[in-house]
Amino acid sequence: GAGVSQSPSNKVTEKGKDVELRCDPISGHTALYWYRQSLGQGLEFLIYFQGNSAPDKSGLPSDRFSAERTGGSVSTLTIQRTQQEDSAVYLCASSLGGTGVYNSPLHFGNGTRLTVT
Amino acid sequence: GQQVMQIPQYQHVQEGEDFTTYCNSSTTLSNIQWYKQRPGGHPVFLIQLVKSGEVKKQKRLTFQFGEAKKNSSLHITATQTTDVGTYFCAGGAEDRLAFGKGNQVVVIP
Repeated sequence: GAGVSQSPSNKVTEKGKDVELRCDPISGHTALYWYRQSLGQGLEFLIYFQGNSAPDKSGLPSDRFSAERTGGSVSTLTIQRTQQEDSAVYLCASSLGGTGVYNSPLHFGNGTRLTVT
Repeated sequence: GQQVMQIPQYQHVQEGEDFTTYCNSSTTLSNIQWYKQRPGGHPVFLIQLVKSGEVKKQKRLTFQFGEAKKNSSLHITATQTTDVGTYFCAGGAEDRLAFGKGNQVVVIP
């Protein structure tokens, strides 16, 4: 079946502009995660959704970052007034979720590589 | 808060040799997951361990979960060039899945 789909795969934007990153999870997966990965670095947790609600927003770096999920499916991560330090690969993952959500393996998309010039 | 540490961060391994990478948590975990990320790729799920002292094998890979459910290891035998990449562990607890920073493995032919 189809995996996690992210778009765009690459995004180059000017400093100060807003960007929207999209994630289509695996059908039936109720949990959705956003991570950020800088070159050669580990995975930085941003936010997690269970259905349409976000129980854990603790990883969002600043109020310029926001995310939403609609219909328990597609999610968008929005970065307002982008800065150069926002340049990274943004990874989305989904899992079956439900009870013991942190027990479910994550399925990652290919990521969106964001470059802020 | 929950922290997961991986050691070492980097390894250079001669093709054909064995190596081990370790994962340690500051708190007791409900499960540990291992992922592999190839250069330029995204993390791919390898395995999940849930029981104290559990050992699972996948061909040349052996995964262990410690008795106290606070540490784990991944041992790879007869390393091949296809083993290159970064290996992440992720510790699951009540309210979080915490990833370690990864162990980047370079294979020397």
